[in-house]
Amino acid sequence: SQQGEEDPQALSIQEGENATMNCSYKTSINNLQWYRQNSGRGLVHLILIRSNEREKHSGRLRVTLDTSKKSSSLLITASRAADTASYFCATDPGGSYIPTFGRGTSLIVHP
Amino acid sequence: DGGITQSPKYLFRKEGQNVTLSCEQNLNHDAMYWYRQDPGQGLRLIYYSQIVNDFQKGDIAEGYSVSREKKESFPLTVTSAQKNPTAFYLCASRSGTGVTEAFFGQGTRLTVV
Repeated sequence: SQQGEEDPQALSIQEGENATMNCSYKTSINNLQWYRQNSGRGLVHLILIRSNEREKHSGRLRVTLDTSKKSSSLLITASRAADTASYFCATDPGGSYIPTFGRGTSLIVHP
Repeated sequence: DGGITQSPKYLFRKEGQNVTLSCEQNLNHDAMYWYRQDPGQGLRLIYYSQIVNDFQKGDIAEGYSVSREKKESFPLTVTSAQKNPTAFYLCASRSGTGVTEAFFGQGTRLTVV
């Protein structure tokens, strides 16, 4: 069963613009994670935010978490063509320690 | 280098055959997972194991089997009972303690011929 759902499903922007992706989830969580997947490859972990955190930064990435709305957002600033990939959020529903993923957002950054 | 390795990268299966996908990790992780990825459907959990000699069914376990005889290894067998096995299969591992990220292999693309 899908726990998280990313929005939008697809996003197309120009290099240098910011990209924002959203994730909504259904049950209580103790953390939320964002992953990146290049076409035909495995997922790579980007950032983890705990349920008691509201915002976290890593380089050009900014993640926010609103547990009252059961939602998270991933912002990529000053995007580059190399950021083209699919981005997934994952949670451990109910503290299960079983990563459960959404359908992902496909990001295309045009040079 | 520590990591998680899936093999083969590409696999072709004839109708009625069983095939086994390999997943090995040297990260000393307790937990391992198998996911199936189809276009537009994200990752769906097939099986998971949180400790050696124990594993549990995920959301789409029918037609699949696993074993966890060693901490490092979690092979997935796609049996002939799986009617639509063509997909991208991803293996992941995670430390069994605390809040940590999952590490993924590079995937195996299985095609029925």
